[in-house]
Order: sequence, then structure tokens, then C-alpha cells
Amino acid sequence: GENVEQHPSTLSVQEGDSAVIKCTYSDSASNYFPWYKQELGKRPQLIIDIRSNVGEKKDQRIAVTLNKTAKHFSLHITETQPEDSAVYFCAASKKGSARQLTFGSGTQLTVLP
Amino acid sequence: DGGITQSPKYLFRKEGQNVTLSCEQNLNHDAMYWYRQDPGQGLRLIYYSQIVNDFQKGDIAEGYSVSREKKESFPLTVTSAQKNPTAFYLCASSLGVAYNEQFFGPGTRLTVL
Repeated sequence: GENVEQHPSTLSVQEGDSAVIKCTYSDSASNYFPWYKQELGKRPQLIIDIRSNVGEKKDQRIAVTLNKTAKHFSLHITETQPEDSAVYFCAASKKGSARQLTFGSGTQLTVLP
Repeated sequence: DGGITQSPKYLFRKEGQNVTLSCEQNLNHDAMYWYRQDPGQGLRLIYYSQIVNDFQKGDIAEGYSVSREKKESFPLTVTSAQKNPTAFYLCASSLGVAYNEQFFGPGTRLTVL
């Protein structure tokens, strides 16, 4: 089955700096890669996603890049703010799998004021 | 995200007891999912259902059971056979297997005393 590895497990940045979180996946058939943000004690919420037919997608301060050849994808957050502090999860899924998501282990991002 | 609810928010169970976690959605979604979340780990899929009266095991189904008698409801029973049931349980739904985005409920924190 699919295996998703996520790094780093913790990340601290100064407010205004950029943050990058990286994930690798094992199944070359995976074609959908969402990123979820989870604040303490709350539900995960989708912040951005990318499909395998695109290499990059941006939404304001957030961007995701995908390298299908290397089977890795990354989340980039620019101009970080304290409210960006949360746990971020990457995931992967493929067609024909009932859209099961395989999640990475999460990255605790702390933005220091 | 207000269209998917879980109850109770906190649940305490004695060893040897079965407990049932509720998940309801009014989003008219066909697919529903149950995940378990442990500290320092990503979400792991327990069971999923693509349509009423049908459900499939996920990666960690042992010790759990589900039913899908109504489109809106997908309850999860944690049985006494589950060796380490203390965790945060998240329910999710999506329009259907052709649609990627999963919407999560607020979660139930189960503690075995």
C-alpha cells in the first residue's frame, strides 16, 4: 500500500520568515495530494491540494509543489504569522481506492513572534 | 465544516466495555470515513463507506465495527477486542469516491480508564 513520510516533525520559524514542509510517497499511482492544518484539539481543515497533472499551485501565502518523478511534494508558507502555528499533515490518494487518504505523521509548526 | 458532527466530544470507557461513537452529516455526501489519531502520528483509516449498506475495512480495522444504514450516519463501535483504544477519533465525509476533498468532524476523544 501507500506510504507517506513527512519531515520535519517540528519546525520553528520567526514571524515573517518562510516555512517548508516536505513529504514523500511510495505509490506512483497516487494522483491527489492535499494538505491539512489542524489546530490544537480541533478538526483538520484542508488548506490546499494539488493533482498530479500540475507541478505547482498557489493560494495567497501558501503554495504546494509536486515532483512526480521523485515522488515528493512540499508545502511552502511565506510571511508566516503566529496564527499559522498548528500541525500540518500531508496526504496522498489515488483513483480506484475509494479516495482513501494516506497521511503523513504531521509537522508541528510554531511561528515565534 | 459545520455539516458534519460527532458526539460525544469526550468519552470515558472502562476496560471490557463496548462504546459507540456517533457521526452525522447533512452534506448529502455519499462517502464517509473513520480515522484514529494518536499523538505524534498521522491519521490512520479504520473503516470507510462509499454508499449506504456498504463499508470496507481500512488499515486498522481490528477491534472496531461500523454500520451504514442511513446516508447521513456512520457510527463506529469500539469493542473490547481493541487493545489500545485511547485516542482521538475523527469522522470525515466526501461527495463520493470521484471527489477528493474530505471534510472532517470535530472529533471524539476516547479515554479508557
